[in-house]
Amino acid sequence: GNSVTQMEGPVTLSEEAFLTINCTYTATGYPSLFWYVQYPGEGLQLLLKATKADDKGSNKGFEATYRKETTSFHLEKGSVQVSDSAVYFCALSDRANQAGTALIFGKGTTLSVSS
Amino acid sequence: DAGVTQSPTHLIKTRGQQVTLRCSPKSGHDTVSWYQQALGQGPQFIFQYYEEEERQRGNFPDRFSGHQFPNYSSELNVNALLLGDSALYLCASSLGVGETQYFGPGTRLLVL
Repeated sequence: GNSVTQMEGPVTLSEEAFLTINCTYTATGYPSLFWYVQYPGEGLQLLLKATKADDKGSNKGFEATYRKETTSFHLEKGSVQVSDSAVYFCALSDRANQAGTALIFGKGTTLSVSS
Repeated sequence: DAGVTQSPTHLIKTRGQQVTLRCSPKSGHDTVSWYQQALGQGPQFIFQYYEEEERQRGNFPDRFSGHQFPNYSSELNVNALLLGDSALYLCASSLGVGETQYFGPGTRLLVL
């Protein structure tokens, strides 16, 4: 079945450090891949997405590239800020099931950035 | 442009009771999905509604049921509440079944 595996956190960084959060997936079809971010006490916000192999999603300085050969979608940011502290979720939706499109999430990675 | 809204924001129930959670999709969206997020975990898919029909269902018991109205809003009903049903319930909407889902702020349910 479909699944998403994220690196376990927490990830603790100093402001302006480089961020990488690893995400790998297993899917039977041709999934779309997503990163969502959840700030304390809030719902999920879409951060970026990619719908096919070699696509790069980017937003707010974050980026991730859909790598079919390694089944990965790692999240990166060149210089993190304190305001980036949140929980980050990698997710996939598999369009092989045409009846519906469930999002399958990883367990989440907590990022804590200190000044 | 209003985003996805959910009500209530918080809810406390006791075991065995029933609960109804509500969701209004983002303007123009016609598809609604529901997720359960336990503390410290990723969201788990409950079901998805489109054209007032359940299109896909996750691995949840029949105690969890839903409905979509002609205006695309949706309800999630949970019967015979268990302590383990305590979680954040998230609603997401999209413009079509296969499109990007946008989430609401969630309803936090506590079962005592």
